[in-house]
Amino acid sequence: DAKTTQPNSMESNEEEPVHLPCNHSTISGTDYIHWYRQLPSQGPEYVIHGLTSNVNNRMASLAIAEDRKSSTLILHRATLRDAAVYYCILRDKYNFNKFYFGSGTKLNVKP
Amino acid sequence: NAGVTQTPKFRILKIGQSMTLQCTQDMNHNYMYWYRQDPGMGLKLIYYSVGAGITDKGEVPNGYNVSRSTTEDFPLRLELAAPSQTSVYFCASSYDRANEKLFFGSGTQLSVL
Repeated sequence: DAKTTQPNSMESNEEEPVHLPCNHSTISGTDYIHWYRQLPSQGPEYVIHGLTSNVNNRMASLAIAEDRKSSTLILHRATLRDAAVYYCILRDKYNFNKFYFGSGTKLNVKP
Repeated sequence: NAGVTQTPKFRILKIGQSMTLQCTQDMNHNYMYWYRQDPGMGLKLIYYSVGAGITDKGEVPNGYNVSRSTTEDFPLRLELAAPSQTSVYFCASSYDRANEKLFFGSGTQLSVL
């Protein structure tokens, strides 16, 4: 199963951009890159996903390296409500039922 | 819009007891999943289902059983509860494509004492 590697924790100031990195050097050509976040005492919630091209939505942007071995989740203006654990996972197009969450990155946002 | 509903929210079991964690979704999703999350850790896949009558093991299936008799419901059964099963359990569902997002329930916090 394709694995991802993320820093254990990161810190940001409120109203500043945050770049959360994820390494996935063993990614296959059919893996989609997904990001989820988990607020304290809640279930994970979807943030964004992509395959090859950079993606934007109302929550965040996803920048995918040209070789697809890494990606970066970008929160353009961090708020206190963005403090959460962010998970980067891979879902294979043909075997997407078995996918695993790693330990994620705990983001702390300072006022 | 209910989404994914889990019951109960909290439960305390004694060692050796059994219980069923309920999960239901109203989005007509074929794919459903059970995860457990130990304190300070990421989520681990217990079982998943690709449709009514079809289930398969995930990463940590021992001590658990599942069934899927309807599209909506995916209960998780704990037989002979052990302290190692103390965890928060999350149910999730999705459409049947890799580029579709997962919808999670709010979780069941289980303590086995």
